[in-house]
Amino acid sequence: GQNIDQPTEMTATEGAIVQINCTYQTSGFNGLFWYQQHAGEAPTFLSYNVLDGLEEKGRFSSFLSRSKGYSYLLLKELQMKDSASYLCAVLDSNYQLIWGAGTKLIIKP
Amino acid sequence: DTAVSQTPKYLVTQMGNDKSIKCEQNLGHDTMYWYKQDSKKFLKIMFSYNNKELIINETVPNRFSPKSPDKAHLNLHINSLELGDSAVYFCASSQASGVTDEQFFGPGTRLTVL
Repeated sequence: GQNIDQPTEMTATEGAIVQINCTYQTSGFNGLFWYQQHAGEAPTFLSYNVLDGLEEKGRFSSFLSRSKGYSYLLLKELQMKDSASYLCAVLDSNYQLIWGAGTKLIIKP
Repeated sequence: DTAVSQTPKYLVTQMGNDKSIKCEQNLGHDTMYWYKQDSKKFLKIMFSYNNKELIINETVPNRFSPKSPDKAHLNLHINSLELGDSAVYFCASSQASGVTDEQFFGPGTRLTVL
């Protein structure tokens, strides 16, 4: 079967750095997405990786290793507004998005 | 202007009823989707639809049916509602299907079946 694994919940301190990991086992791979979802709101796009390596976008970076079936989202200089769920999703060989359950990130002052 | 809009935002109804949720996108996108997000927060794709193709997740009961009057709209009709249908339903759109475009989500419709 297809599987996306992420930690259920993480806690970090304002101003710090946090890394949210995602491992996947899917039938084929056509890229990996990270979305942010604040409580009671819709998911919003953060990043897309299809090649190995690190993609940096402001305070957020996303890393991919296809050989390891692994990605992480790195958030720097954490702000209170970063408290949200972070969803990892993989595009499989049929171009269907397979979603993880998300990681709830709690930021403390 | 809202890119992807859904109505209603909240829907409370009795078991056995039939209901519809409307979705509209003003992005000029070719593909629209319906997702169900249950209490465990898993996002499950229900349908994806463009002008050429409707792709149905085989796990979706046939009580659920998408209806698209035009490219900018994809409504979700649900017959004979059951308690397990209670969830948040998100509509989304992307430029095209089968490619690596980001999806833009609507605000969600929280459906509660009593």
